[in-house]
Amino acid sequence: VQLVESGGGLVKSGESLRLSCAASGFTFSTYNMNWVRQAPGKGLEWVSSISSSSSYIYYADSVKGRFTLSRDNAKNSLYLQMNSLRAEDTAVYYCARDSRPGTPCGPFDIWGQGTVVTVSS
Amino acid sequence: QVVLTQSPSASASLGASVKLTCTLSSGHSSYTIAWHQQQPEKGPRFLMQLNSDGSHTKGDGIPDRFSGSSSGAERHLTISSLQSEDEADYYCQTWGTGYVVFGGGTKLTVL
Repeated sequence: VQLVESGGGLVKSGESLRLSCAASGFTFSTYNMNWVRQAPGKGLEWVSSISSSSSYIYYADSVKGRFTLSRDNAKNSLYLQMNSLRAEDTAVYYCARDSRPGTPCGPFDIWGQGTVVTVSS
Repeated sequence: QVVLTQSPSASASLGASVKLTCTLSSGHSSYTIAWHQQQPEKGPRFLMQLNSDGSHTKGDGIPDRFSGSSSGAERHLTISSLQSEDEADYYCQTWGTGYVVFGGGTKLTVL
């Protein structure tokens, strides 16, 4: 069971970035999925959640209107499109699996290793 | 919305036990939480889901040294026979329909 994030990098304020999360070792299409971020030296912050069939998508207020979460169950992949990036979006972004079926959200039982996003002002 | 409060730091000696606490905000004492461990420079790892009655379900491969308990609005993580690799940040998490909340984390130092 594994989640591997990619797509992080250094961008300027106002630019865009698309993160990906590749899932393996479990039936991806049956699990709700999430993104969580961690700013340098800070704690964990929930970013967004998506249900198994993409019927429900939720965002933290801090990213609503700028970030878009999606998934491709045929490719076992989760995506986070990040637009209008700000310096305060600088963080390690983690992909996480929700252990509980049904409507999001629930406890996260599998985490990726993270991908680093740096936004310069 | 629910708020989770954790002490910023804790310390205990090698081989001893330590009890970390996550406190749910007023009116939310029935909430289930999850505990996660984050070792330095690593991604978080799920430790357990902890219910209001103290029953808990641990993640795969989590040693018996890790246990959970509940008392009112408090959710506890107890680590016994502390080892050096237990030095880490510990986060509690709760959730509702369409939202997730994390506590601020407790940095555990093993002396």
